Amino acid sequence: QSALTQPASVSGSPGQSITISCTGTSSDVGGYNYVSWYQQHPGKAPKLMIYEVSNRPSGVSNRFSASKSGNTASLTISGLQAEDEADYYCSSYASSNTPWVFGGGTKLTVL
Amino acid sequence: EVQLVESGGGLVHPGGSLRLSCAASGFAFSSYWMRWVRQAPGKGLEWVANIKQDGSDKYYVDSVKGRFTISRDNAQNSLYLQMNSLRVEDTAVYYCARDNQWASDMWGQGTMVTVSS
Repeated sequence: QSALTQPASVSGSPGQSITISCTGTSSDVGGYNYVSWYQQHPGKAPKLMIYEVSNRPSGVSNRFSASKSGNTASLTISGLQAEDEADYYCSSYASSNTPWVFGGGTKLTVL
Repeated sequence: EVQLVESGGGLVHPGGSLRLSCAASGFAFSSYWMRWVRQAPGKGLEWVANIKQDGSDKYYVDSVKGRFTISRDNAQNSLYLQMNSLRVEDTAVYYCARDNQWASDMWGQGTMVTVSS
């Protein structure tokens, strides 16, 4: 069982918006602004999409946005495109024996 | 070119050992925390270990403590993961990654480790 909880799957049609949630505790997501999001296409390495809750690295489309409220972080993808179909993982720093934790991942299907 | 390239994966019997390497290029390796992350077949990502820029601080996930050792050679721009007493459940693709602003902003292509009898 992963430390952070994500929905197993979400789907949307091209052009639509979707949101993926990532729920933790006050010891991880809620306690630090160190939530990041990763995109992973099949057989490929993960790619950083969001860092420090809501910041986009250079080169990442502004269709990707993120936020946090309490113990839950969220990733929103607007204007869905076929290339967005991938697995998405959230991650957070945590004040525990395991200082870095991931969510179980969410498979995004673009219908 | 800015990149991370892992090597050293392979098939090993339970109880065996393996040493993974990660060659960094195109950036100031010694200025960054580095980490290993693994992904079991069909499963999600799991953070394995982190190491500070000068190697003075190291952190491990509980399941590998006492069996795995992360290290680095800044002169060689290389990161390592010594894995001993390997278990079937250690089977995974192992990625090395660069830590920047509390996230991993650069990843290698991964190296597969299979533990099986």
